[in-house]
Amino acid sequence: DAGVIQSPRHEVTEMGQEVTLRCKPISGHNSLFWYRQTMMRGLELLIYFNNNVPIDDSGMPEDRFSAKMPNASFSTLKIQPSEPRDSAVYFCASSLSGRSETQYFGPGTRLLVL
Amino acid sequence: QKEVEQNSGPLSVPEGAIASLNCTYSDRGSQSFFWYRQYSGKSPELIMFIYSNGDKEDGRFTAQLNKASQYVSLLIRDSQPSDSATYLCAVNSGGSNYKLTFGKGTLLTVNP
Repeated sequence: DAGVIQSPRHEVTEMGQEVTLRCKPISGHNSLFWYRQTMMRGLELLIYFNNNVPIDDSGMPEDRFSAKMPNASFSTLKIQPSEPRDSAVYFCASSLSGRSETQYFGPGTRLLVL
Repeated sequence: QKEVEQNSGPLSVPEGAIASLNCTYSDRGSQSFFWYRQYSGKSPELIMFIYSNGDKEDGRFTAQLNKASQYVSLLIRDSQPSDSATYLCAVNSGGSNYKLTFGKGTLLTVNP
């Protein structure tokens, strides 16, 4: 059974460029989360979708970040324009009904903005 | 600001010993508590969760919760080199059942 799938796994880009991260949740899961992990701040929730609808985007750092979930099997996190301080590992996670006990993380995308 | 605090370590224990990992949290309204294991370069993996005061055991792992002291711990018995990882404590915050606030993790090294 496939887990959460993220692409790309690694991304190196230059400051000012647009970055798009992609996520496919586990089939049957109706909740999706985007997290960011850095040494300084640890693992932080950016945005939470339930049934494709954004429920909580209070963790999105600023307007340069946007996330969409056009259907139950696909989500994107976009950064435009990217900055060096956006360098981090971005994880997507999915769960049944949003409950933390059933939350499974994808392998992550390691982003480096030069 | 809801916070979850952990000793960053590294915590080094010999193989076969008990590893004790600790976590404190600031939100008195938190109801659910989680321990994740994260190997280097990998994603977090849920290993235990606990809701009630006291102990909860699962194999070699025991989670302990003391809500009065706002303290959660994870004991790993008979530690193995494969347990070497960063352990993240997480708490459901803000009264939600989905929003996790994570500590920065404790690096555990089990020496053969």
